[in-house]
Amino acid sequence: SQTIHQWPATLVQPVGSPLSLECTVEGTSNPNLYWYRQAAGRGLQLLFYSVGIGQISSEVPQNLSASRPQDRQFILSSKKLLLSDSGFYLCAWSVWPSEAFFGQGTRLTVV
Amino acid sequence: AQSVTQLDSHVSVSEGTPVLLRCNYSSSYSPSLFWYVQHPNKGLQLLLKYTSAATLVKGINGFEAEFKKSETSFHLTKPSAHMSDAAEYFCAVRFMNRDDKIIFGKGTRLHILP
Repeated sequence: SQTIHQWPATLVQPVGSPLSLECTVEGTSNPNLYWYRQAAGRGLQLLFYSVGIGQISSEVPQNLSASRPQDRQFILSSKKLLLSDSGFYLCAWSVWPSEAFFGQGTRLTVV
Repeated sequence: AQSVTQLDSHVSVSEGTPVLLRCNYSSSYSPSLFWYVQHPNKGLQLLLKYTSAATLVKGINGFEAEFKKSETSFHLTKPSAHMSDAAEYFCAVRFMNRDDKIIFGKGTRLHILP
């Protein structure tokens, strides 16, 4: 069966520090991978998605970037965090035409 | 442009009465459509999905939704609300094009009145 791992679960980082959130999927090949941010009243905002290794599409211009160095690995990064980067980040995977399957999420607080 | 709209940010119904949560999408491509539920401090759970088979889709916990292409809608219904249905509900759309992204609505908070 397929599983998705996302870590860390919680993270407190100072403003200006770098960020790296990692997500890995097991049990499937060539999945589509997604990073979302969930904020109250704004639903799940799609940040990045990838249909293959090295293929990254950005939905929202911002202080974040994403990379997919391996087929089942998706990384969300920032060189310098801003206060506005605080939020709940969710990684997900999917294959057409099915639904997205989510990791447990990372609660990021920038202080 | 592709988008999904949940028309109500909050819906309140009395226990035992019907539930209607509305979702509309905008796209020129054939969609797959999903409803998720999120209880407080919990993850997202899939309620039901439409992927080009029957337009009336039945899900878990007595929920169902109907895909209406002419209205570009996928509204979620339940005949009789239960207190345990109080949660936030998200509609999501996946478009069959080269981008293949999944877009979520902003959510509808369902309140159940005793």
